[in-house]
Amino acid sequence: DAKTTQPTSMDCAEGRAANLPCNHSTISGNEYVYWYRQIHSQGPQYIIHGLKNNETNEMASLIITEDRKSSTLILPHATLRDTAVYYCIVRVAQNSGGSNYKLTFGKGTLLTVNP
Amino acid sequence: NAGVMQNPRHLVRRRGQEARLRCSPMKGHSHVYWYRQLPEEGLKFMVYLQKENIIDESGMPKERFSAEFPKEGPSILRIQQVVRGDSAAYFCASSPQGSNTGELFFGEGSRLTVL
Repeated sequence: DAKTTQPTSMDCAEGRAANLPCNHSTISGNEYVYWYRQIHSQGPQYIIHGLKNNETNEMASLIITEDRKSSTLILPHATLRDTAVYYCIVRVAQNSGGSNYKLTFGKGTLLTVNP
Repeated sequence: NAGVMQNPRHLVRRRGQEARLRCSPMKGHSHVYWYRQLPEEGLKFMVYLQKENIIDESGMPKERFSAEFPKEGPSILRIQQVVRGDSAAYFCASSPQGSNTGELFFGEGSRLTVL
């Protein structure tokens, strides 16, 4: 799986948009970009994923550059409960045999939402 | 629809004892993953199982650790003769057969403390 690079930490004011960057310059054509987060002492939580088009769901938006070498996770209106470590992961979604591949977590970005 | 259930949530063992951690995947899920998170570190993949089969155990320590996912019942991560370095949070995740989203559903973890 391609390696990702994320800032160690970021701060955001409550109610403002949080923009979390991720570099994945060695991403392959069949690798997706996934975002998970881990709130302190809890299990990781899936947020969103995409291949090359921008994606949006009820939690966040994912913006992937045209060359796919980087992406940004956007939390449109951050709340205190969004304080967590955010992980950007790239991997294939499914192999030809139909099995799922494991996720490889890096160190992620600690996002602190301040009141 | 209950999520991934792990128990016990907290386990204390003395050096040399055995630890058994259980994971019940989400209903309908036949893939189970175990991850370990040492204090102040990221999640590390340990093993990936399907019903009655170990698919990928590349992250499992060579000795003392074993995992199973029987036809009936939960997946079990077993650690024999525990040492202080085994103190960590152990997370289980599950996914359904044939899923092409790559989304893993994580439990809340089992926290092992070795005295």
